[in-house]
Amino acid sequence: QVLLVESGGGVVQPGRSLGLSCAASGFTFSSYTMHWVRQPPGEGLEWVAAVSSAGSHKNYVDSVKGRFTVSRDNSKNTLYLQMNSLRAEDTAVYYCVREPNGLYYMDVWGKGTTVTVSS
Amino acid sequence: EIVMTQSPATLSVSPGERATLSCRASQSVSSSLAWYQQKPGQAPRLLIYGASTRATGIPARFSGSGSGTEFTLTISSLQSEDFAVYYCQQYNNWWTFGQGTKVEIK
Repeated sequence: QVLLVESGGGVVQPGRSLGLSCAASGFTFSSYTMHWVRQPPGEGLEWVAAVSSAGSHKNYVDSVKGRFTVSRDNSKNTLYLQMNSLRAEDTAVYYCVREPNGLYYMDVWGKGTTVTVSS
Repeated sequence: EIVMTQSPATLSVSPGERATLSCRASQSVSSSLAWYQQKPGQAPRLLIYGASTRATGIPARFSGSGSGTEFTLTISSLQSEDFAVYYCQQYNNWWTFGQGTKVEIK
């Protein structure tokens, strides 16, 4: 069974940092590009970041460039998102998402982890 | 950035009826268009990719069409489990989503 399980969410003050993890199972993690997608409360979906299967290529939405870092450890089947200088507008559910390599759509989603940035 | 616009925002449909959802791209995305279904408290689920290919396990009552800038998701006969929010997404130039269409019970 293909599973993505996010963890690490919580309440954090503006300007502070938080790290998210996503544990993958049921498929060959190292063969897939992985993404983070977020959803603010009551709003739509926003792509945040992507990392290639080997971890060599990374891309970010403009609003998080320079603040967020996506990475992966294929030996641990785990995806990460390090979030620094957090802002209120980063408050959202963060989903870990799988992309079939080279196909660009998103076929498997985790249940998400909630990040709340508030003083 | 490619902007995706979905219409209507809310669609009220009776069970068993047909639902037609629209998605427009601000510039051509070819056939690089996906549809996702999201129920309250759940993650999105892939329905359609490549504008018209159903994902694994998706019932045949879901169909997608279109190319370029105009796309449609059709649910031929709405079942109770189909009432949800539907998002289109382009993946031709990075990734952007529409704002969603809520399909509610009439």
